[in-house]
This record gives sequence, C-alpha cells and structure tokens, in this order.
Amino acid sequence: DAGITQSPRHKVTETGTPVTLRCHQTENHRYMYWYRQDPGHGLRLIHYSYGVKDTDKGEVSDGYSVSRSKTEDFLLTLESATSSQTSVYFCAMKGDINQPQHFGDGTRLSIL
Amino acid sequence: GEDVEQSLFLSVREGDSSVINCTYTDSSSTYLYWYKQEPGAGLQLLTYIFSNMDMKQDQRLTVLLNKKDKHLSLRIADTQTGDSAIYFCAESIEGTGKLIFGQGTTLQVKP
Repeated sequence: DAGITQSPRHKVTETGTPVTLRCHQTENHRYMYWYRQDPGHGLRLIHYSYGVKDTDKGEVSDGYSVSRSKTEDFLLTLESATSSQTSVYFCAMKGDINQPQHFGDGTRLSIL
Repeated sequence: GEDVEQSLFLSVREGDSSVINCTYTDSSSTYLYWYKQEPGAGLQLLTYIFSNMDMKQDQRLTVLLNKKDKHLSLRIADTQTGDSAIYFCAESIEGTGKLIFGQGTTLQVKP
C-alpha cells in the first residue's frame, strides 16, 4: 500500500545490538500493528496500537517494545537483538475497528 | 485460544479452478479475510466476508463461509500463472481489531 512504508527494508546486525524498525503511514489511521512472519507460522502479532501513546501486547511480545508518539509513526524496538528474532517484520494499519488491515512491504531482519 | 488452520500447498493447472480451504475456531469472529502474498512483498487484501454472510463473489473470486462448521474457502476461477502466491486466511477477534492468521497456502499454477 502506498500509504504505509517501512524502513529499513533490509537490515543485518549482530546479536546484542539494539534495533529500531519504523512504520510510517500517511492515512491518519488510528490502528497500527507489528507482525513477524516465520516459515510455518504465518503472521504473528507482536504489538499493536489503538491511538497515540496507546499500545498493547500481542502473542509474541517478549523481547520487543513499541512506541507511538504521533499518529503517523509506529516504532518497533529490539533492545538487545537475538538470533531468534531473525525474521521478516510487517507493519499494518487500519482506520476503524471493522475495516481490514493494510500492510507495508516488510523489513527483512537478519541477526548474526 | 483462537486458531486458524490451512493446508500448506495446492497445485493446479492454468485455466482450472483453485479452492483454498481454511478452518477457524473463534465463533465470535465478525470478519474473515483472504490476503495474497507474492514473493518479497507484503500482504495484499483480496477480499473479506462478514460473518452473517454465506457467500461473496468478486470477479474471479468466490468466498464461501460455513459458520456452523467454522469453514471458509476461497475459489479462484480460471486460475492464471499470476495467481501463484501464498494465500492467507485470517479471522478478526471481536472488539479488538486484531487478526489471527493461518500458516498460509502456497498456490502453484502450472502452465
């Protein structure tokens, strides 16, 4: 979707380093989500936000934190990256609770 | 807890119909979704159905919902090589805005 972008698109880093992924949307949507995609697991929700400064945990939140200081940006931070966090990360957004989610193009993160 | 199951792989010949199946567990789901993912790309919304509907048709796509059996299917008519992708079924959790995804079905279309 043109209205949602993720950065960086690819990143390689070392175990123990902090990593921040950014999701930026231009649709003024209220809800934003971070997922990880791993083979055999589909997409699993890490954290989500239902407004500025309003966030909650998903099913695989351990080792991740998020922040949403303004509507358009939702940041995902790995405080001390581990090899098990090597994955493809997707951000999604939606305007209303009954609307479908729309996804960014993903960030491929490799932790060596 | 909530769970969504899909078969992992489907292979069809170009021009045939494809049927991708999905089962879910949360009977309070309000919407059920189908997303398509091409290699190296994000998830693209294909179609969705409200839980009080049995069927929805959108051009070559037909969604069937059997709420009693908690079974959802996606039929693609006249399947083309460009339909080769991973297809994800997802159910919404009422009142939360969250989605639970299946593992994805890889559709291979042979010429």
